[in-house]
Amino acid sequence: NFMLSQPPSLSESPGKTVTISCTASSGSIASNYVQWYQQRPGSAPTTLIYEDNQKPSGVPDRFSGSIDSSSNSAFLTISGLKTEDEADYYCQSFVGSNPWVFGGGTRLNVL
Amino acid sequence: DVQLVESGGGLVQPGGSLRLSCETSGFTFSSYWMHWVRQAPGKGLVWVARINPDGSVTHFADSVKGRFSLSRDDAKKTLYLRMASLRVEDTAVYYCTRTSGAGPDFWGQGTLVTVSS
Repeated sequence: NFMLSQPPSLSESPGKTVTISCTASSGSIASNYVQWYQQRPGSAPTTLIYEDNQKPSGVPDRFSGSIDSSSNSAFLTISGLKTEDEADYYCQSFVGSNPWVFGGGTRLNVL
Repeated sequence: DVQLVESGGGLVQPGGSLRLSCETSGFTFSSYWMHWVRQAPGKGLVWVARINPDGSVTHFADSVKGRFSLSRDDAKKTLYLRMASLRVEDTAVYYCTRTSGAGPDFWGQGTLVTVSS
């Protein structure tokens, strides 16, 4: 079964840079696009990154996505951290025509 | 602006049924795959079901297969999720999502389904 693993939580200070990993359990992470979603407390998710590294309009340049085939992982990097970035972050991908698979989510604390 | 507005959630007893609706606006509904994603209290996101643009193809997660059905009304620009034989473990916020590619691009605000006696 294809799975995506994320660290359960991360903490970092305002103004710093943080990177959230998303590691595929099988196959190549580069074979299918990876997306990233932000979910603030009490709110619905919103799309941050699509197709590995593309941003919908309105998403700040502080957010970026990347893929590393050697570690079979995708990464979400947030620079210049703000307190408003405190949220849960989810990666998502799929294999072939199979349905979406989400990572378990990473709770980001900005303190 | 793209909008997805879910409704129909509520409290239902185990074994009961419920129909969720997702009213859409701001885009050509009949051109898009639509999906449902759910989130149990305090847990992560889980894909539930999808339907193709003309409504002829549906797929379901193994956990709901045979109990849930999907349909769409292009005239009303509305997506429906019919849930039957509900279980306690179906308790979750259900999100309607649109996709134009590899994942959701727009999400609704969600509707809470609570299955409890």
